[in-house]
Amino acid sequence: QKEVEQDPGPLSVPEGAIVSLNCTYSNSAFQYFMWYRQYSRKGPELLMYTYSSGNKEDGRFTAQVDKSSKYISLFIRDSQPSDSATYLCAMHVGGGADGLTFGKGTHLIIQP
Amino acid sequence: ETGVTQSPTHLIKTRGQQVTLRCSSQSGHNTVSWYQQALGQGPQFIFQYYREEENGRGNFPPRFSGLQFPNYSSELNVNALELDDSALYLCASSLGGRGNTIYFGEGSWLTVV
Repeated sequence: QKEVEQDPGPLSVPEGAIVSLNCTYSNSAFQYFMWYRQYSRKGPELLMYTYSSGNKEDGRFTAQVDKSSKYISLFIRDSQPSDSATYLCAMHVGGGADGLTFGKGTHLIIQP
Repeated sequence: ETGVTQSPTHLIKTRGQQVTLRCSSQSGHNTVSWYQQALGQGPQFIFQYYREEENGRGNFPPRFSGLQFPNYSSELNVNALELDDSALYLCASSLGGRGNTIYFGEGSWLTVV
């Protein structure tokens, strides 16, 4: 079993829809959770950063962390064609030296 | 723009050769980490440098090595290149310490033939 599981998709939705992206993980020591967006052949861009359980909202994006279920989600409201990209979840224990553990990424396509 | 710059952006090497990739971290960031991202996969942690010392390493062999300089810029060196080393190599910088955000550069695409 991989430490972080993420459905690679592709996930195709119409413009304006609410998108739900998810990851599950097995290491209960993870405390810091991130979502990155990666356009083709580019570096990952940090979208959301959360510590421990709870919700965090930033514009059209909402990140949720449920540590009891080892499950994290990213919701995108009013999706736009420019949101079409690969979305990577990432997490780490904290303390600095362990590096980020990523999921494989979900390829999202927003149809105009 | 994250302020993390990498060079070169693309390069092609022959199996068995050596390669050096370079990274300038965001101003004020004293921690640099390197990741390998194969096609269709998430990035894999190679190692991290904090104040010129390697202080964390993922599951990569010793032929992957690095340096961090006093200005916090960094190099990734890979010896005895193998075909499977073909990937996007990402540099990330952060301010050392628990819970600080990590920003990535655009990466260096390495093709080994």
